[in-house]
Amino acid sequence: GAVVSQHPSRVICKSGTSVKIECRSLDFQATTMFWYRQFPKKSLMLMATSNEGSKATYEQGVEKDKFLINHASLTLSTLTVTSAHPEDSSFYICSARGGTGGHEKLFFGSGTQLSVL
Amino acid sequence: GQNIDQPTEMTATEGAIVQINCTYQTSGFNGLFWYQQHAGEAPTFLSYNVLDGLEEKGRFSSFLSRSKGYSYLLLKELQMKDSASYLCAALDSNYQLIWGAGTKLIIKP
Repeated sequence: GAVVSQHPSRVICKSGTSVKIECRSLDFQATTMFWYRQFPKKSLMLMATSNEGSKATYEQGVEKDKFLINHASLTLSTLTVTSAHPEDSSFYICSARGGTGGHEKLFFGSGTQLSVL
Repeated sequence: GQNIDQPTEMTATEGAIVQINCTYQTSGFNGLFWYQQHAGEAPTFLSYNVLDGLEEKGRFSSFLSRSKGYSYLLLKELQMKDSASYLCAALDSNYQLIWGAGTKLIIKP
């Protein structure tokens, strides 16, 4: 079946550094990818929708300059948390839309646990 | 409005089977998720259903009925490590995840 690979699974970084998270669709082309974030004791929230070859669409309240999303190819989208701060510590998960035969569905990565010291 | 309902807490015995139900009402529907979350940890993805029917994955199975707005997670051969919260979430037409409050599953020896 279709697989979405998300890397890294866990990252610890110092405050002020930037962190890049990769999301790859391994055996299908994903024109659309989604990035989610879990806030402490809350639900996973959609951050942005990423379309290949165009600018990402961010949800209200998400800082575009803080969370840079690049979807340069049909199999890769990246989320870069720029100048990370402790409040950016969270669980980030990506998903890719794909499928054939009229049964399009979402496939999710395994998530990235980001800890900013 | 959009709503997800699941039981607050369930208790089961080690080695037994338990079914956690979830009903949903969303504006549009793009699938339903089940997550497992141990206290203080990030959620772990268990399953994603978008078509009606049962999907089995080892000891865990997930069922979906789109016409009824209903899903369940079935856990077999329960182990003590299965004690956790199980979260049901539906994906609406805008690809936003609508979450239930979670079901705390307590496994007794």
